[in-house]
Amino acid sequence: GAGVSQTPSNKVTEKGKYVELRCDPISGHTALYWYRQSLGQGPEFLIYFQGTGAADDSGLPNDRFFAVRPEGSVSTLKIQRTERGDSAVYLCASSLGIYNEQFFGPGTRLTVL
Amino acid sequence: GESVGLHLPTLSVQEGDNSIINCAYSNSASDYFIWYKQESGKGPQFIIDIRSNMDKRQGQRVTVLLNKTVKHLSLQIAATQPGDSAVYFCAFSSGGSNYKLTFGKGTLLTVNP
Repeated sequence: GAGVSQTPSNKVTEKGKYVELRCDPISGHTALYWYRQSLGQGPEFLIYFQGTGAADDSGLPNDRFFAVRPEGSVSTLKIQRTERGDSAVYLCASSLGIYNEQFFGPGTRLTVL
Repeated sequence: GESVGLHLPTLSVQEGDNSIINCAYSNSASDYFIWYKQESGKGPQFIIDIRSNMDKRQGQRVTVLLNKTVKHLSLQIAATQPGDSAVYFCAFSSGGSNYKLTFGKGTLLTVNP
């Protein structure tokens, strides 16, 4: 079956612009996670959804970052007033539940010029 | 614990040799540990996991060892193959669930044919 998909695969934007990154989880997975991976480092947790609600958003770096999952499936990570330091690969993962294996998507590479 | 920087620890082995990749963690409350493999341009892929009530777990060609006394985790890959070449990350969580993963610094494994 299909794995986690993310679009776009690459996004180049200018400093100060708004971007949206999309994640399509594996069908039936109720838990969804966003991570950010900077060059040469491991992924860093951003936010976790259980169903439609954000159960833990403690990893979001500041209020420029926001994520939604209105129907409990597809999720969108939104970044306002992008900064060069936001450049990274944004990874999405999903799992059947919080005690189950997380399956990662290929990521969206965001470059802020 | 984790360290930061652009230069990953590297391990270079000959095809057919066994590989050992190490990871240290600092949080004594960590109770769930996972090894991930990440190939270039892809998201992390689950390899094997272990909970804190165990000190060893085996999979197909892989073994994870956990030493809680010194907060050390290792991944052993038997008969390493060129397809094993990738960056390997350890990850851990605490509190009985595995949703909020903290990733360690990766190790780049290169398998020479």
